[in-house]
Amino acid sequence: DAGVIQSPRHEVTEMGQEVTLRCKPISGHNSLFWYRQTMMRGLELLIYFNNNVPIDDSGMPEDRFSAKMPNASFSTLKIQPSEPRDSAVYFCASGKTGSARYTFGSGTRLTVV
Amino acid sequence: GQQLNQSPQSMFIQEGEDVSMNCTSSSIFNTWLWYKQDPGEGPVLLIALYKAGELTSNGRLTAQFGITRKDSFLNISASIPSDVGIYFCAGDPSGGATNKLIFGTGTLLAVQP
Repeated sequence: DAGVIQSPRHEVTEMGQEVTLRCKPISGHNSLFWYRQTMMRGLELLIYFNNNVPIDDSGMPEDRFSAKMPNASFSTLKIQPSEPRDSAVYFCASGKTGSARYTFGSGTRLTVV
Repeated sequence: GQQLNQSPQSMFIQEGEDVSMNCTSSSIFNTWLWYKQDPGEGPVLLIALYKAGELTSNGRLTAQFGITRKDSFLNISASIPSDVGIYFCAGDPSGGATNKLIFGTGTLLAVQP
């Protein structure tokens, strides 16, 4: 199994631009999570999906952030417009319903200048 | 909201030494997990604990689920240079109903050869 695949690994963009982060979960996993990691706030859960349906988006910082999961093998996290304070490492993780044993991707390091 | 307090924040030790770190919560958790994060990668699951008082080992790593269900401990015996990284505790307060993990602030471990 290739694990959770995230792309791109690194993204540098200018303030105001739209950013789209992508995630392919492990086949057979039906829960998907987006986390953000910063030095100041650590690992924060942004949103999670179960069977492609958003269950809890209370961690999404503001309306500039949106996430979709159109099918079981793909999810996106979009920031529009991006701001410098969005700079962080964004992780996608997947798991099976009823299990807390997540598998994380390698992350996308986002820098907004 | 629920928070996990992890200590120590960092440790600088000599190769061969034993390491202990812990995590405490203001509320009860039904599952405790310990993850390790290498530079530039996502967290990787080390040990999962499901019952109060449970003691589980994975090689040189031993973790315990506290009796009060508000804390957990991770011990690493005979540390080696590849143990370097950030160790995170994580807890699931829902018992698997939501799979929503809350992460601790992390312990940075540096091992001097």
